[in-house]
Amino acid sequence: QVQLQESGPGLVKPSETLSLTCAVSGYSISSSYYWGWIRQPPGTGLEWIGSIHHSGSTYYNPSLKSRVTISIDTSKNQFSLKLTSVTAADTAVYYCARPCGSWYRDPFDIWGQGTLVTVSS
Amino acid sequence: EIVLTQSPGTLSLSPGERATLSCRASQSVSSSYLAWYQQKPGQAPRLLIYGASSRATGIPDRFSGSGSGTDFTFTISRLEPEDFAVYYCQQYGSSPFTFGPGTKVDIK
Repeated sequence: QVQLQESGPGLVKPSETLSLTCAVSGYSISSSYYWGWIRQPPGTGLEWIGSIHHSGSTYYNPSLKSRVTISIDTSKNQFSLKLTSVTAADTAVYYCARPCGSWYRDPFDIWGQGTLVTVSS
Repeated sequence: EIVLTQSPGTLSLSPGERATLSCRASQSVSSSYLAWYQQKPGQAPRLLIYGASSRATGIPDRFSGSGSGTDFTFTISRLEPEDFAVYYCQQYGSSPFTFGPGTKVDIK
């Protein structure tokens, strides 16, 4: 079955860049689908960060668009998130996920386990 | 941006009881593009309902959703012990795709 696994540093200093990778197994990301990132600050709700198609087209949350880049590496079957100029407000569990349909808007039905990223000096 | 409000914030019920959760949008959600998720502590969200009323793959029929426009309802007909969790609604009709703050269903 399709599985997603996030990886990356658990601690990032303020003003630096947060970088995470999502490795996909059980499915070739070059076949279809959009692939997304969602985050959840501790004890609070969920925020959609953005999504990328296997072709490379991207959609971002306007509130983060100036700081976010999502990229895809079909040769490694993974996609990545970069968030620049981080502050404590970016501390969150970061999830990668795949939507239930082929449209970028579709809700997410396959999720990684999530990885906690703390922004602190 | 569409803001979603969920009520109540916490719902205290006993196993076997019926749970009714509300999600209200600040503006109409196009084409009923509304989803419901369940999240348990330390776990990723689990998609239960999409399109306001369609159950996702493998979701038991005790979970149901309804509504359109700005008012949506999620119902668990008879609570099972594993249903005690936080439930989020999400609209995906208008970017950015936003989530509600959640309703916690806990054991009375």
